[in-house]
Amino acid sequence: DVKVTQSSRYLVKRTGEKVFLECVQDMDHENMFWYRQDPGLGLRLIYFSYDVKMKEKGDIPEGYSVSREKKERFSLILESASTNQTSMYLCASSLRGPYEQYFGPGTRLTVT
Amino acid sequence: GESVGLHLPTLSVQEGDNSIINCAYSNSASDYFIWYKQESGKGPQFIIDIRSNMDKRQGQRVTVLLNKTVKHLSLQIAATQPGDSAVYFCAETGLNQAGTALIFGKGTTLSVSS
Repeated sequence: DVKVTQSSRYLVKRTGEKVFLECVQDMDHENMFWYRQDPGLGLRLIYFSYDVKMKEKGDIPEGYSVSREKKERFSLILESASTNQTSMYLCASSLRGPYEQYFGPGTRLTVT
Repeated sequence: GESVGLHLPTLSVQEGDNSIINCAYSNSASDYFIWYKQESGKGPQFIIDIRSNMDKRQGQRVTVLLNKTVKHLSLQIAATQPGDSAVYFCAETGLNQAGTALIFGKGTTLSVSS
């Protein structure tokens, strides 16, 4: 079974803090994705990566950056957290392109 | 723009009934569709997928039907159980700022009563 893990289930940070969300997958997948999920808006793609050290912007990259130093690990960075970044963050991975993505359990981030 | 929508935001069924969750999509060029189940407080869980060259695909207790003529996708759950209570999302491949990506619908909440 594919396993995608995220470093925290719940996180509370203050406005202006730098926040790191970590994601690890154990299936040697090429592609990894970061989404945020908000009520009424569904899942929106922030960034994705199709290879080590490669990254591509999704639909809402503003205020975020990412890092992929190893194939199994994809990090989402909030350089200076703001209250409008309070959300559920979901990481996913896939073997080929955007197809058959497997998700982690999510990190619910609250920025106060 | 492209969008993936659902006909009903909520669906309530009795245990043992068959459930049908519907999804309308707008991109006639989509080549791939997928259904996810999301339980409260958890990440989306892959259920079943289908490529556009197929009309039907069956899994364990689930069937996905694709009608490309009317751009309609449905998920059928046989003998629905209380453990099936969750939010169900459909998604299709489409073009956005990232190139080809999964475009998600907003979800249907399925409630199963015993």
